[in-house]
Amino acid sequence: SQTIHQWPATLVQPVGSPLSLECTVEGTSNPNLYWYRQAAGRGLQLLFYSVGIGQISSEVPQNLSASRPQDRQFILSSKKLLLSDSGFYLCAWSVRGAAHYGYTFGSGTRLTVV
Amino acid sequence: RKEVEQDPGPFNVPEGATVAFNCTYSNSASQSFFWYRQDCRKEPKLLMSVYSSGNEDGRFTAQLNRASQYISLLIRDSKLSDSATYLCVFSTSGTYKYIFGTGTRLKVLA
Repeated sequence: SQTIHQWPATLVQPVGSPLSLECTVEGTSNPNLYWYRQAAGRGLQLLFYSVGIGQISSEVPQNLSASRPQDRQFILSSKKLLLSDSGFYLCAWSVRGAAHYGYTFGSGTRLTVV
Repeated sequence: RKEVEQDPGPFNVPEGATVAFNCTYSNSASQSFFWYRQDCRKEPKLLMSVYSSGNEDGRFTAQLNRASQYISLLIRDSKLSDSATYLCVFSTSGTYKYIFGTGTRLKVLA
């Protein structure tokens, strides 16, 4: 069966520090991968999605970047965190070419920038 | 018009009650529809897909009205454990993206 791993679960980082969040998927090949952010009390905002190794699409201009060095690995990064980067970061995967299956999310990383 | 709109609630209902949520979408090309459930400080989890003919899963019934561009979720015999935020989600043919509503919060009271 397919599983998605995301870590760390919580993170407190000072303003201006770098960030690296990692997400890996097991049990499937060629998944579509996504990074979402959910600010406190708000909806999910799509940050990046990827349909293959090295293929990254950015949805909103921001202080973050994403990379997909391997088929089932998706990394979210920042060189210098801002206070506004605080939020609940969720990685998700879906079956490529099968939108009717929906997403499966990782357990999320709660980031607080202080 | 927003891509997707949901009443944020909260809907406070007693145990055993029937409650229904609607979610409207603006893109008539939307093809896949879902309801997700999100517990406090947790990731969203797929509750059920929504099919054109309507579908049922135990106490939950989902329906799609393409003419009026909305989906609905009906919960019968509400349980305390149904308390959560319910997100409507849709995707459009030819895209890889899913659009999420901001969610409807349900509180089932003892």
